[in-house]
Amino acid sequence: DGGITQSPKYLFRKEGQNVTLSCEQNLNHDAMYWYRQDPGQGLRLIYYSQIVNDFQKGDIAEGYSVSREKKESFPLTVTSAQKNPTAFYLCASTPTGGARNIQYFGAGTRLSVL
Amino acid sequence: RKEVEQDPGPFNVPEGATVAFNCTYSNSASQSFFWYRQDCRKEPKLLMSVYSSGNEDGRFTAQLNRASQYISLLIRDSKLSDSATYLCVVNKADSWGKLQFGAGTQVVVTP
Repeated sequence: DGGITQSPKYLFRKEGQNVTLSCEQNLNHDAMYWYRQDPGQGLRLIYYSQIVNDFQKGDIAEGYSVSREKKESFPLTVTSAQKNPTAFYLCASTPTGGARNIQYFGAGTRLSVL
Repeated sequence: RKEVEQDPGPFNVPEGATVAFNCTYSNSASQSFFWYRQDCRKEPKLLMSVYSSGNEDGRFTAQLNRASQYISLLIRDSKLSDSATYLCVVNKADSWGKLQFGAGTQVVVTP
């Protein structure tokens, strides 16, 4: 089945630690996105990538990093510089063409600080 | 002012009743509008796109009012399974593929 797979489902970070969230899609979508969702708030864009080996900062990129070495994969690293990382992280992808604005989401990763 | 604003609710609706709610957006150049549904602790899923002439999908009707910059969602004959948070989503007109999400309107359908 085609879709977006995020792992792990739950992740705990220790103080000063970097952690990486995985996002893999087999939809052949060109564009991929990372969002953060906090309670009572809308999704906020962290990073996005329209094509392999290229990515841009979103609205809240500080303390995060990404890579896009393969079309299928867009991992997000939450660095120790991100002082408030506890949130629900969602990865999304977009097909090209007329439906390009519709985004499809993975099941998300819940990150907590120990 | 937030780019996309929604009444957070909750809207408590008896089963079988009709509920409607709006979302306002600030960028008059926005071209694409959507309603997503998000269940508790789950990912958002596309409910429907919103077209200029308004559109219907079963019990769900979406309307767009460009002059007043709002979109609406109406749910008829509410089911218990309609209980969810409904996210209003608008494209960022100046940037391909980027979307702006509202914080959501919670709907609770009661027996």
